[in-house]
Amino acid sequence: DAGITQSPRHKVTETGTPVTLRCHQTENHRYMYWYRQDPGHGLRLIHYSYGVKDTDKGEVSDGYSVSRSKTEDFLLTLESATSSQTSVYFCAITREVTDTQYFGPGTRLTVL
Amino acid sequence: TQLLEQSPQFLSIQEGENLTVYCNSSSVFSSLQWYRQEPGEGPVLLVTVVTGGEVKKLKRLTFQFGDARKDSSLHITAAQPGDTGLYLCAGVSYNQGGKLIFGQGTELSVKP
Repeated sequence: DAGITQSPRHKVTETGTPVTLRCHQTENHRYMYWYRQDPGHGLRLIHYSYGVKDTDKGEVSDGYSVSRSKTEDFLLTLESATSSQTSVYFCAITREVTDTQYFGPGTRLTVL
Repeated sequence: TQLLEQSPQFLSIQEGENLTVYCNSSSVFSSLQWYRQEPGEGPVLLVTVVTGGEVKKLKRLTFQFGDARKDSSLHITAAQPGDTGLYLCAGVSYNQGGKLIFGQGTELSVKP
């Protein structure tokens, strides 16, 4: 357990609406990540952050934006949700001492 | 783009049987990690293999990293129902800032 919480844990929304998912960590880790998990695809990196206001794109970043104004919070925003963004979203941090990623409990998002 | 091909994607066996899960790539990784994920939770790290040819054991689980650091395997001896879950391999890339590249996952079901 690396003190990672995600909110909300479940969300149902409609196509075209904006959605923001929040990841909160309590251990002041520098690196934070957002992944999505879909059947047959494992986990795919959406965006990641290597410090406050320092973010970069992952392999599936289209349609997503992120912000990190504080060390402890990493926000993922879907500006206009589409059905293809229905997925389970995981936040992760890297504990640098051991170079190990720890994952949050996930957010299940359904876009109707 | 680096890819990790994980096989099989689904495996259903009886308690007491042995099984092997494979993770293959054409790319070289600095290390390779194996995760286990239970329904409704995030992945949890089982082991990291770093050296080509390395073998690590975790009770009935044996992990091997290929000599060329392009492939890995997970072998479970005498599987038990408690081993049921999703197993994911993830490669740590040399040239992508340490980001993880995940395989598609293997859904293992061990029946009593």
